[in-house]
Amino acid sequence: DAKTTQPTSMDCAEGRAANLPCNHSTISGNEYVYWYRQIHSQGPQYIIHGLKNNETNEMASLIITEDRKSSTLILPHATLRDTAVYYCIVRVPRNFGNEKLTFGTGTRLTIIP
Amino acid sequence: DAMVIQNPRYQVTQFGKPVTLSCSQTLNHNVMYWYQQKSSQAPKLLFHYYDKDFNNEADTPDNFQSRRPNTSFCFLDIRSPGLGDAAMYLCATSREGSGGTDTQYFGPGTRLTVL
Repeated sequence: DAKTTQPTSMDCAEGRAANLPCNHSTISGNEYVYWYRQIHSQGPQYIIHGLKNNETNEMASLIITEDRKSSTLILPHATLRDTAVYYCIVRVPRNFGNEKLTFGTGTRLTIIP
Repeated sequence: DAMVIQNPRYQVTQFGKPVTLSCSQTLNHNVMYWYQQKSSQAPKLLFHYYDKDFNNEADTPDNFQSRRPNTSFCFLDIRSPGLGDAAMYLCATSREGSGGTDTQYFGPGTRLTVL
């Protein structure tokens, strides 16, 4: 799986959009970008994933650059409950024998009231 | 609601005393994973079961074993816990293969303390 680079920490004001960047310059053509988050003392939670097109669901939007070397997770209206560590992971889905998630250091996002 | 359940949420054991952590799921997923997460670190995969097939990570110590008696349950056995094994242990499930969702669902974790 390709290595990812994320800022160690970020702050965002409550109600504002939180934009979390991720660099994955060595991503290969069949690797997807996944985002998970981990709220304190809980298990990680899936947020969203994508290959090359921008994706949106009820939790967030994922913007992937055209060269696929970086992406941004957007939480459109951050709330205090969005305070968590956010992990960007690249992997090949449905890759028999390599189903694991390899977590990097992640970004600790703090939402400020 | 379908979910991943881990029991107990907190476990205290003594140095060298075997301990078993349990995980159950109502999602009917074919893959179950055990991750170890030490304080201020990211989760790290120990092993996983793809159906009945056990897949051990190369750097998982022999002290850690797992059993999956059926689709719904998976156990993590630590044969002789050391102080360095104190961590949060996370169970996760996914549906892989045809019809898979590419998503892992995690339980709340069991926090293990070794005295």
